[in-house]
Amino acid sequence: EAGVVQSPRYKIIEKKQPVAFWCNPISGHNTLYWYLQNLGQGPELLIRYENEEAVDDSQLPKDRFSAERLKGVDSTLKIQPAELGDSAVYLCASSHGGVSRGDTQYFGPGTRLTVL
Amino acid sequence: QQQVKQSPQSLIVQKGGISIINCAYENTAFDYFPWYQQFPGKGPALLIAIRPDVSEKKEGRFTISFNKSAKQFSLHIMDSQPGDSATYFCAASRSYSGAGSYQLTFGKGTKLSVIP
Repeated sequence: EAGVVQSPRYKIIEKKQPVAFWCNPISGHNTLYWYLQNLGQGPELLIRYENEEAVDDSQLPKDRFSAERLKGVDSTLKIQPAELGDSAVYLCASSHGGVSRGDTQYFGPGTRLTVL
Repeated sequence: QQQVKQSPQSLIVQKGGISIINCAYENTAFDYFPWYQQFPGKGPALLIAIRPDVSEKKEGRFTISFNKSAKQFSLHIMDSQPGDSATYFCAASRSYSGAGSYQLTFGKGTKLSVIP
């Protein structure tokens, strides 16, 4: 079974430029998460999707960040314009969803963003 | 507000020794407590998880001890090996009725180094 796929793995951009990250979850997983991981910190949730619906985006800085999950499969996270403080690893995770408690989240390798 | 506090920040253990990492949480609504292992350049991977209806869970060399009254839980790695060298994150969440998916709150991580 293929894991969560993310691309690109690394991205270096100038500040004020736009950037986009792509995530392909594990096949059949209804729930998709985007996390931000700063150096030496634990992941912090940005947004959670149930199928194509964003059900928790309270931590997403909506002035510059946007996300979409068309057709409830792949997802894209965009930053426009990027700021120096956005340098971090952006992690995508997916889970099966459904009615079971404690649904395991599977993480992708992340995209390391460097803003110069 | 940091809802999950993890300690120590770093840990050096000799091969064959016991590694102990501690976490404390504040939100009494949390009812799922996983531990994730992260190697450099990789996303976090679920190691072991516990729910508050049991005080201990063991899987191979890894054991979670849970103290509901103290709102604390810990990871014990027995017979630590150099291959265990990684960053470990505790996390906590509450289950959502119906949908089954949940939001993880992570600790800041513990960098474990197991020396030969």
